[in-house]
This record gives sequence, structure tokens and C-alpha cells, in this order.
Amino acid sequence: DTGVSQNPRHKITKRGQNVTFRCDPISEHNRLYWYRQTLGQGPEFLTYFQNEAQLEKSRLLSDRFSAERPKGSFSTLEIQRTEQGDSAMYLCASSLAAHYNEQFFGPGTRLTVL
Amino acid sequence: AQSVTQPDIHITVSEGASLELRCNYSYGATPYLFWYVQSPGQGLQLLLKYFSGDTLVQGIKGFEAEFKRSQSSFNLRKPSVHWSDAAEYFCAVGPPYGQNFVFGPGTRLSVLP
Repeated sequence: DTGVSQNPRHKITKRGQNVTFRCDPISEHNRLYWYRQTLGQGPEFLTYFQNEAQLEKSRLLSDRFSAERPKGSFSTLEIQRTEQGDSAMYLCASSLAAHYNEQFFGPGTRLTVL
Repeated sequence: AQSVTQPDIHITVSEGASLELRCNYSYGATPYLFWYVQSPGQGLQLLLKYFSGDTLVQGIKGFEAEFKRSQSSFNLRKPSVHWSDAAEYFCAVGPPYGQNFVFGPGTRLSVLP
């Protein structure tokens, strides 16, 4: 069991640039979730997939954000035209559909927008 | 709307002392309740969860939590803290059939030798 992995672990970018993060879930997990965590706060739900289908999106997920899970395995989260307010830790989690409340989290990608 | 409050931003205890971290929630129905721990550079790890039944639940690493419906609370306890317990602790609430977890702001635990 290699757990949930996320790459890169840290990303520094300039305002206006696009960034993409990758999440590799636990191999047998068919649900994948994205959260955002800002300093001093708990994680906030962004979106989740069951297999390749994106089933729910938070209103926090603005038009500049897009997430994909093309083959039902790894997922990418892209942020276009980054803003300083996007600076946060982006967390990925995965679960089995039958145990959707038992989510296993990755270490996160810390984004800093200058 | 769902919400979770953790009144203590930072708690410091001595190693070997007992610990209680507070969590209060607001939810319109019976929620699912969770405690997660986050160590620096690590992902969140599930300590324990409550869905129904016995209101005292046991978790990993010697932690337990008690669900009190009348107080809308789900406090986390440990009888004897170890230095390795120093971390950030998050309480979360979720609907029985939804994915939209709501996390509290977290309580940072420091442990004195």
C-alpha cells in the first residue's frame, strides 16, 4: 500500500501563470477528492470523482479551476491565471465507493503565488 | 448550514498528561463525525469516526471520542499524551450520503517533555 501521492509537493508561481497538480490515489479506490486548505483553516471540499465522472463541485471551484480524471485512475487539478488568493495547500484524498466516508489523504501540494 | 467549531486554536500539554480537544458542530440531522490528525509534511490521517451506536468510540493511537447529541459535541480524548502526538487535529462532519465534509479550523497540539 503506497498511499495517496501528490506531485509536486511544492509549487511557486507568478500571478497569472497556469499550474497543474497531479494526484495518484490508492490503486483500488474508485473515488477521488480534492480539497483546499489555507493557513490556519481546515480543508475545504472542492470536487470529487467516481471513476472518471466528476460528480460534485463546490462553489469554491471557480471557472479558473478544472479537474480531470480521464481514465479513472490519477487526477489533475489545473488552475489558470493564478491569483495570490489561490495560495494554499491542495489536498487529494481517495476512498472506495462503498466506504466513501473513509477518505485517505495525500501529503498535499503547497502552492505559493507571488 | 453545516459548521464545525474547535474553540482551542493551540493547546500545550506535558508528556504523560491527559488531553481533551473540543469540537462542536451544527448540523440539521444526524451527522457522521470524524477526527483527523495532520503532522507536518504529512497528509491527514483518520483517528476515529462516529456513525451511530455507542457514543464512545475508540480510535487509533489510544484516542477516543464521545458523541454528545444534547451538546452537539464530539470531543477527542487521550489519557496519556506522547511527544509524537504533537500535531494539528481536525474535527469534521459529513452527511450520511454525501461527500461534502466540513472541517473545523483545527487545534494545534504541542507536547512538553
